Amino acid sequence: GDSVTQMEGPVTLSEEAFLTINCTYTATGYPSLFWYVQYPGEGLQLLLKATKADDKGSNKGFEATYRKETTSFHLEKGSVQVSDSAVYFCALSQDDMRFGAGTRLTVKP
Amino acid sequence: GAVVSQHPSRVICKSGTSVKIECRSLDFQATTMFWYRQFPKQSLMLMATSNEGSKATYEQGVEKDKFLINHASLTLSTLTVTSAHPEDSSFYICSARDVYVSSYEQYFGPGTRLTVT
Repeated sequence: GDSVTQMEGPVTLSEEAFLTINCTYTATGYPSLFWYVQYPGEGLQLLLKATKADDKGSNKGFEATYRKETTSFHLEKGSVQVSDSAVYFCALSQDDMRFGAGTRLTVKP
Repeated sequence: GAVVSQHPSRVICKSGTSVKIECRSLDFQATTMFWYRQFPKQSLMLMATSNEGSKATYEQGVEKDKFLINHASLTLSTLTVTSAHPEDSSFYICSARDVYVSSYEQYFGPGTRLTVT
């Protein structure tokens, strides 16, 4: 079945560092791909999405490109802030949504 | 737009009692709603998918008699945890899909923290 493999955390960075969180997927067909962010004690917030190959999703300085040839959707940000500290989930959906394990990011001042 | 609410946000109940959690889509119609469970520091586990007006589809290993799901309208789904036990303590999150959006995106509620004592 469809699945998502996400870079294991936790990830600790200094403020203004470059962030990459790797995400690869396995799916039949053409899923939509998502990155969600979860702050402590809260639900999931959509960070960005891409619905077809070569689409680039972007929001709040984060971006990810739907790469069909490598079945990847890596999340990047050029300069992280302390407020970016959260858990990040990669997900795919063709009907049901399948999540990666989540990556906890801590950004230190 | 695309806001999903959950009520209550936190609930504490005694072992053996039942508790109901509501999930509402506030500004869109949701023919399909999903219920997830999340354990500390883990990912979301899909419990069931509910379609308006029909019976929910439960994932393997989820007890349908224990986790009763009702989706009686296009804006409301409820999850009732019956005869709750401490092992049912968890963070429950619902999501909903907008019938008019074709990207399979789900909109998530803020979650309900259930503690069974």
